Amino acid sequence: EVVMTQSPLSLPVTLGQPASISCRSSQGLVFSDGNTYLNWFQQRPGQSPRRLIYKVSNRDSGVPDRFSGSGSGTDFTLKISRVEAEDVGVYYCMQGSRWPYVFGQGTKLEIK
Amino acid sequence: QVQLQESGPGLVKPSETLSLTCTVSGGSVGIGDYYWSWIRQPPGRGLEWIGYKSYSGNTNNNDNPSLKSRVTISVDTSKNQFSLRLSAVTAADTAIYYCARDNRGSIDFWGQGTLVTVSS
Repeated sequence: EVVMTQSPLSLPVTLGQPASISCRSSQGLVFSDGNTYLNWFQQRPGQSPRRLIYKVSNRDSGVPDRFSGSGSGTDFTLKISRVEAEDVGVYYCMQGSRWPYVFGQGTKLEIK
Repeated sequence: QVQLQESGPGLVKPSETLSLTCTVSGGSVGIGDYYWSWIRQPPGRGLEWIGYKSYSGNTNNNDNPSLKSRVTISVDTSKNQFSLRLSAVTAADTAIYYCARDNRGSIDFWGQGTLVTVSS
């Protein structure tokens, strides 16, 4: 089973400042079709998760452009260019390249 | 816009079988290359894939020790629903259970989740 390791697990950020979350996989995530199925989800308090990014760097419709994803191989990053109050929640990476699909432990973003 | 809604008992006794249904609207479970999935989240903890099944029968269940081959997922195209059965439950199975649509290795739609408590 692929292990997904996120860091940091807790991320206090000042409003308007950037934030970055790292996600590392124990194995490469390139699927046989050439795609890398690495996703990022946001879970606001009391809500279901919501996808922000799919296939490493593709932003979902309606997701603010301050969110961006990057990476390759086993190292991936979610960046928020300027944190806003509505960004509070837990962020999860998830690999969908190898079964069983696996989520990272989650990174809790809070406002300082 | 696809919407998913979980339904089922919120309380299950230890050793019994947990049964949940997900009703899909705004789309069909019998069309497309989607995997209809179940994911759970113990209170205050992270997310765990349970398994998925497509209408054509492709299926995969998570055989990690916490699930131990107790999972059955079925798809009912006539009702536009899919279901989860988890047998021999224990307190460790207490969680919010989400149904979701897996679109090529990524979840694009989630249900709102339903809390299932295992207790006598």
